[in-house]
Amino acid sequence: AQTVTQSQPEMSVQEAETVTLSCTYDTSESDYYLFWYKQPPSRQMILVIRQEAYKQQNATENRFSVNFQKAAKSFSLKISDSQLGDAAMYFCASTSYQGGSEKLVFGKGTKLTVNP
Amino acid sequence: NAGVTQTPKFQVLKTGQSMTLQCAQDMNHNSMYWYRQDPGMGLRLIYYSASEGTTDKGEVPNGYNVSRLNKREFSLRLESAAPSQTSVYFCASSAYLTSGSYEQYFGPGTRLTVT
Repeated sequence: AQTVTQSQPEMSVQEAETVTLSCTYDTSESDYYLFWYKQPPSRQMILVIRQEAYKQQNATENRFSVNFQKAAKSFSLKISDSQLGDAAMYFCASTSYQGGSEKLVFGKGTKLTVNP
Repeated sequence: NAGVTQTPKFQVLKTGQSMTLQCAQDMNHNSMYWYRQDPGMGLRLIYYSASEGTTDKGEVPNGYNVSRLNKREFSLRLESAAPSQTSVYFCASSAYLTSGSYEQYFGPGTRLTVT
């Protein structure tokens, strides 16, 4: 079965500093997508950034960027200039294609605390 | 644009009671999903529907049934609720984007407590 592993249950960062959240995944598929989702206390799942496996260039969205290492099956999230509003649970996810549909497989999450 | 809506937002059930969680999307997506989220865990797939008229089991289907009523609506039913089904339930729909990428869109979640 496909798995996604987030090895850091909790992380903390000082406001305005940079933090990196780790994620590794295991897939036998050649074509897939990777995601980082943010879940604030409101529990809404918010897409932070996505990476297509066929693209070599790392995705960036403003202060958020990824380090995608396809051979190592690693997909880390870097948050630059951390803000208090970045405090949340962060989930890494990869797609798994079965039964005519892509499905998401999630890691267990990393709780990010931002200290003022 | 409402996106993915879920009802109810909160529910408390007694063991053995039944209930149906409702989900609807207005984005004309073919695929829809039900996930559950437990403390210390990510989201786990309960059931999915690749298209109207089809449903398939996900990772944790025991104790649940689903109905894909039409393209918009995908409901999750607990026939006889158990305390182990206390969780937050998310519905989602998905699409391949014109950019060549893919995205799932999540509803706001339902917090269910079974006593």
